[in-house]
Amino acid sequence: GEDVEQSLFLSVREGDSSVINCTYTDSSSTYLYWYKQEPGAGLQLLTYIFSNMDMKQDQRLTVLLNKKDKHLSLRIADTQTGDSAIYFCAVDGGGNKLTFGTGTQLKVEL
Amino acid sequence: GAVVSQHPSRVICKSGTSVKIECRSLDFQATTMFWYRQFPKQSLMLMATSNEGSKATYEQGVEKDKFLINHASLTLSTLTVTSAHPEDSSFYICSARGTGGEKLFFGSGTQLSVL
Repeated sequence: GEDVEQSLFLSVREGDSSVINCTYTDSSSTYLYWYKQEPGAGLQLLTYIFSNMDMKQDQRLTVLLNKKDKHLSLRIADTQTGDSAIYFCAVDGGGNKLTFGTGTQLKVEL
Repeated sequence: GAVVSQHPSRVICKSGTSVKIECRSLDFQATTMFWYRQFPKQSLMLMATSNEGSKATYEQGVEKDKFLINHASLTLSTLTVTSAHPEDSSFYICSARGTGGEKLFFGSGTQLSVL
């Protein structure tokens, strides 16, 4: 099955950029997603990218996809304290199922 | 964006009782809903896929008699944890995908604590 990996923890200073990385194994993945989860809450869809795209920008968020290396990243510009949360990448390999990464805890320090 | 409502947000119950969790799509019709389980500081584990009007498809290792899923309408799916035990304590999250949509929207989750 699909295997999706993320680094567990990232700490940045307020105002800096954050880059959260994700690697996956299934090359047939069609859509790739980034979700944000705050403590005790469900997941909030931040952005997604179709597999035929290399980059997608949405305000402070930039998603980069390297299909050759099966690497997905999320860049958050001008990171704020409100961005502190757990970020999950998720890969849609078809069949209506998403496989989630292990999650990256982002901590934003003043 | 689309809204998925999940209730209750938190439930505490005694061991041996059953608990029902509701998941509703508020502004779209969800032909498919998914139920996930999340342990503290871990990722989401897909439990089952619920299709309107048909039986749910359970992932390997998930007991279908333990976790009853009903998807009676295009806007409502329910998960019933039957005869709950402390090991069933977890965060349960539902999600829904609309017809022809590539996006998956999530409910706010239900924290189940079994005493």
